[in-house]
Amino acid sequence: NAGVTQTPKFRVLKTGQSMTLLCAQDMNHEYMYWYRQDPGMGLRLIHYSVGEGTTAKGEVPDGYNVSRLKKQNFLLGLESAAPSQTSVYFCASSYGTPGTKLNEQFFGPGTRLTVL
Amino acid sequence: QQQVKQSPQSLIVQKGGISIINCAYENTAFDYFPWYQQFPGKGPALLIAIRPDVSEKKEGRFTISFNKSAKQFSLHIMDSQPGDSATYFCAARGSSASKIIFGSGTRLSIRP
Repeated sequence: NAGVTQTPKFRVLKTGQSMTLLCAQDMNHEYMYWYRQDPGMGLRLIHYSVGEGTTAKGEVPDGYNVSRLKKQNFLLGLESAAPSQTSVYFCASSYGTPGTKLNEQFFGPGTRLTVL
Repeated sequence: QQQVKQSPQSLIVQKGGISIINCAYENTAFDYFPWYQQFPGKGPALLIAIRPDVSEKKEGRFTISFNKSAKQFSLHIMDSQPGDSATYFCAARGSSASKIIFGSGTRLSIRP
């Protein structure tokens, strides 16, 4: 049981390049989330999904797109990377709406992205 | 707009002391307040959580105190140990119940 895994762990991009971050979970969770973590700003929600085939915008969705074609995977795409997107990206998943121990959010180890 | 304000940004406590981290919120519709612990190079992990219908929740050395009228809540770590050195985030479940809103984080260092 690997929990939540993220690929890649590190990446360096040049401005304007595109890339996709992959999140996978093997806990049969319905809900999945993408956050970015920046110094002094905590974690900010980019996009989330409450089930296969559905996605919704979070606090900071601009410049990102997501897809949830399979229940276990949640992809985060950057179409044209900008230096402002330099950050550590975390994926998380949960059975349902966070609010009980059963619906606890589990986080992946993160992807450190640098955009030059 | 930061809906959950956390302080201090960093905190140094001697081993055996009490660590206190404070948070304040604005939205009275928030109904679930978790705290997360994050070690360097790892993702956050749920530490303890509280709902606004109780004023205190204790799990081992960790206690959440909740003041609904003041819209404030705090994490107390009793008998702080070097292994508690980590970044701590308070959070709240937002008006759209699928989303958790995080505070800015507190880097806690416990000196031996």
